[in-house]
Amino acid sequence: RKEVEQDPGPFNVPEGATVAFNCTYSNSASQSFFWYRQDCRKEPKLLMSVYSSGNEDGRFTAQLNRASQYISLLIRDSKLSDSATYLCVVESNSGYALNFGKGTSLLVTP
Amino acid sequence: EPEVTQTPSHQVTQMGQEVILRCVPISNHLYFYWYRQILGQKVEFLVSFYNNEISEKSEIFDDQFSVERPDGSNFTLKIRSTKLEDSAMYFCASSEGGQGVYQPQHFGDGTRLSIL
Repeated sequence: RKEVEQDPGPFNVPEGATVAFNCTYSNSASQSFFWYRQDCRKEPKLLMSVYSSGNEDGRFTAQLNRASQYISLLIRDSKLSDSATYLCVVESNSGYALNFGKGTSLLVTP
Repeated sequence: EPEVTQTPSHQVTQMGQEVILRCVPISNHLYFYWYRQILGQKVEFLVSFYNNEISEKSEIFDDQFSVERPDGSNFTLKIRSTKLEDSAMYFCASSEGGQGVYQPQHFGDGTRLSIL
């Protein structure tokens, strides 16, 4: 079983739509979780950390379900500039290595 | 906003040659990392470095690889005797602390390594 699994997409949505991405992880001992975004051939950029109680940052909401080992990202009112690959990231037990999913591709169209 | 900077942006090297990739982490960060991403694949962890020693390394980080912090600002990845399969984007990252949601890693814009 892969450590971090994501639906690769692509998700094609119109501007203004709400879109949700899901991610599952295999290591139940994992403690820290993140969403990064990656534009084509660029570096991963931190979008948001995922807190145990869930958290919101503007149009972005992240949720964590430890029992199901499941993380989600909700994007409301999609903008053209949201088009990117969204990476689900889980910190390893050691606390140093980040384990990345392959990413979910989002394309927001006019 | 402080950034992690990497040089060069693109490195082309003949197979079997040695290559050094350079990184300047964010100035108040204490933990440094190298990752790689082969085209079309996920980002993979290579090594973490703290207090002038390796704190963790992956299976990828074998004897061909080494890291060094030669001075107070630079962090380098050396790849000896490069192979075709070393062709990838190499990302340096740094974090203020070692772990946790409050200590996220910030990535540089990468060095594209092409082995011919």
